[in-house]
Amino acid sequence: DAGVIQSPRHEVTEMGQEVTLRCKPISGHDYLFWYRQTMMRGLELLIYFNNNVPIDDSGMPEDRFSAKMPNASFSTLKIQPSEPRDSAVYFCASSLVSDNYGYTFGSGTRLTVV
Amino acid sequence: GQNIDQPTEMTATEGAIVQINCTYQTSGFNGLFWYQQHAGEAPTFLSYNVLDGLEEKGRFSSFLSRSKGYSYLLLKELQMKDSASYLCAVSNGQNFVFGPGTRLSVLP
Repeated sequence: DAGVIQSPRHEVTEMGQEVTLRCKPISGHDYLFWYRQTMMRGLELLIYFNNNVPIDDSGMPEDRFSAKMPNASFSTLKIQPSEPRDSAVYFCASSLVSDNYGYTFGSGTRLTVV
Repeated sequence: GQNIDQPTEMTATEGAIVQINCTYQTSGFNGLFWYQQHAGEAPTFLSYNVLDGLEEKGRFSSFLSRSKGYSYLLLKELQMKDSASYLCAVSNGQNFVFGPGTRLSVLP
């Protein structure tokens, strides 16, 4: 298995622009998670899906952030409009329901908003 | 509420043993995980404890006391490649809550 695949690896954009981050989970995994990591706040859960349905989006910072999972093999995290404080590494992770090995993380997208 | 504490930084010498502590207070408990994260990379799974006691995997061991809300990760025979951040994470049955991570520097 190729693991969790995220794209792009790096994104530099100007303030006010729309940013779309993409994730392909491991085939067969029922859960998909979006995390944001910064030096100040560590790893923060933004939203997670179970069988493509959003379960908890309480970590989404504000209405500028939205996430979708149209099918079991694809999810997007969108920021519109982007702001400099959104600069962070965004990780996608997936897991099985009864997986005792926790999550498998993607390589992350390093977002820089200037 | 949910709170996980770890030391921010630790330094140790190559070949030595180091213990990284984690204390937690979470609503619900379904296991405690340790992840390793090298700079610029994704976290990778190291160990999992759901029952009290010690789990050993090669040079790495992890201990859990549920009554005390306490875990530690023990790294033996330290190598330079062990320089990384170590994240403690608690599963509450629905998702993980991650600690702030401990940045370990291994010196020659």
